[in-house]
Amino acid sequence: DQQVKQNSPSLSVQEGRISILNCDYTNSMFDYFLWYKKYPAEGPTFLISISSIKDKNEDGRFTVFLNKSAKHLSLHIVPSQPGDSAVYFCAASKGNTGNQFYFGTGTSLTVIP
Amino acid sequence: DTEVTQTPKHLVMGMTNKKSLKCEQHMGHRAMYWYKQKAKKPPELMFVYSYEKLSINESVPSRFSPECPNSSLLNLHLHALQPEDSALYLCASSQGDGRGYEQYFGPGTRLTVT
Repeated sequence: DQQVKQNSPSLSVQEGRISILNCDYTNSMFDYFLWYKKYPAEGPTFLISISSIKDKNEDGRFTVFLNKSAKHLSLHIVPSQPGDSAVYFCAASKGNTGNQFYFGTGTSLTVIP
Repeated sequence: DTEVTQTPKHLVMGMTNKKSLKCEQHMGHRAMYWYKQKAKKPPELMFVYSYEKLSINESVPSRFSPECPNSSLLNLHLHALQPEDSALYLCASSQGDGRGYEQYFGPGTRLTVT
């Protein structure tokens, strides 16, 4: 049973526009969330995280929003750049098993120049 | 050095073979992980080593045998695998084993069982 879901397998965005990637989770015990980015033939690379005590975390062009009541998080990339084209995974963990991450299926982002 | 290396990159083995996957990190991380990823699926946790001791085994079949010889090295010994075990095997490490430590991933070993 998939506890973390990314319902959009792919997304295309024009360069300079905003990319919004979405992630939903079912387990209310999850309290720490991360986004990873993966290029072909490479392992996932950590991008940004958020704890459940916050509803927003920002790092440069990347912002993650958390809506605990909806069990939903999103990653905003603005402005999008062609180098952002990759597969993005969201992941979640719960406090007592902090390093045990549950991953979503990924969203493939294409930024069109 | 923020790199996790994995060897080999690709491996083809028969169902009766014995082979090993190797993972190495020199970041001083004390937790190391093995994940399995099938096509179009998310990475699934297999094993976690914390301070060189196995702390999590996600009910993985005994034909997969992990080993952590020292804090920098993690092996996955494979024996009598099935074709459905063909997947990308990812190794990761993190500074600690608690929450808040992001995991650094290697590029993976693409395993094909014939």
